[in-house]
Amino acid sequence: QKEVEQDPGPLSVPEGAIVSLNCTYSNSAFQYFMWYRQYSRKGPELLMYTYSSGNKEDGRFTAQVDKSSKYISLFIRDSQPSDSATYLCAMSQDSSYKLIFGSGTRLLVRP
Amino acid sequence: DGGITQSPKYLFRKEGQNVTLSCEQNLNHDAMYWYRQDPGQGLRLIYYSQIVNDFQKGDIAEGYSVSREKKESFPLTVTSAQKNPTAFYLCASSIDWILGDEQFFGPGTRLTVL
Repeated sequence: QKEVEQDPGPLSVPEGAIVSLNCTYSNSAFQYFMWYRQYSRKGPELLMYTYSSGNKEDGRFTAQVDKSSKYISLFIRDSQPSDSATYLCAMSQDSSYKLIFGSGTRLLVRP
Repeated sequence: DGGITQSPKYLFRKEGQNVTLSCEQNLNHDAMYWYRQDPGQGLRLIYYSQIVNDFQKGDIAEGYSVSREKKESFPLTVTSAQKNPTAFYLCASSIDWILGDEQFFGPGTRLTVL
């Protein structure tokens, strides 16, 4: 079993839809949670960073962490075609370099 | 304009050849990393460097080598000992290794073995 599981998709939605992307994990020691967006043939860019449980909002993006269920989510409101990308979750036990990445979910937003 | 640059963008290698991938950053970050990305898999850490003149093996270091002679540069050599080198290679950096979870990535190099 992988430490971090992520549905590969693709997830196809119409423009304007609310998108929910999720990761589950097995290591209860994870405390730092990140979401990266990766466009095709590009490097990942850090989108959201969350410590411990709770919600964090940034514009159209909301990151949610439920440590009791070992489940994290990224919500995208009013999705746009420019949101079409692969979304990678990542997490770590402390704030050090040792990140564990999910395999990514490919999102397609149809105009 | 701060960031991380990687070159070349695409690289083709014949079997038995060593190749070197370049990574440069002007963010004044102490820590740098090399990852490999394969389809359907998460990023896997090859090597990391916490500071100049120091580097450590990551999870899949076999067949790779690195150097860190300058703070801004962290080249990766893919040797002929790497059995399956075709992949997308990503370089990243962070302020330091203690705050290493906020990593910034370069645009990547796609290596193909012919």
